[in-house]
Amino acid sequence: DAKTTQPTSMDCAEGRAANLPCNHSTISGNEYVYWYRQIHSQGPQYIIHGLKNNETNEMASLIITEDRKSSTLILPHATLRDTAVYYCIVRVRRNSGNTPLVFGKGTRLSVIA
Amino acid sequence: DTEVTQTPKHLVMGMTNKKSLKCEQHMGHRAMYWYKQKAKKPPELMFVYSYEKLSINESVPSRFSPECPNSSLLNLHLHALQPEDSALYLCASSPGGLGEKLFFGSGTQLSVL
Repeated sequence: DAKTTQPTSMDCAEGRAANLPCNHSTISGNEYVYWYRQIHSQGPQYIIHGLKNNETNEMASLIITEDRKSSTLILPHATLRDTAVYYCIVRVRRNSGNTPLVFGKGTRLSVIA
Repeated sequence: DTEVTQTPKHLVMGMTNKKSLKCEQHMGHRAMYWYKQKAKKPPELMFVYSYEKLSINESVPSRFSPECPNSSLLNLHLHALQPEDSALYLCASSPGGLGEKLFFGSGTQLSVL
């Protein structure tokens, strides 16, 4: 699976949009981008995933560049409860079964009042 | 029911003890996972069961022994652990095969004395 690079930490003011970048320059055509987050003392939580089109759900939006070498997770109106470690993961999706998630170091997002 | 339940939440054991961690889900998921997470580090994959068969073992020492008695239940048997095995042990499940959306439990915080 392709390796990802994320900033170690970021701050965001409460109520503002949080934009979390991820570089995956070695991504191949059949690799999906996944985002999970882990709030302190909890297990990781799925947020969103995509292949090449932008995606949006009730939690966040995922913007993938046209060359697919980077992506941005957007939390449109960050709250204090969004303070967590955010993991960007690229993973092959195969018809015969998928490879499991392998977590990188992630970005520690702190939402500040 | 969209929960993965792990018991116990906390466990303290000596190096000569035998203990078991338990994980349960009632979402009809057919893949289940064990991850290990040291403090301030990302989760590391240990084992994957797919359709109740062990499909991935990430070269985990034999003092950790997984068991999948049925599609809803996953155990991790512990024997002769070392203090460096102290960590948060996370269980996860996904719908079919090795699906992209993993649901995680809150983990068992293990301390080996």
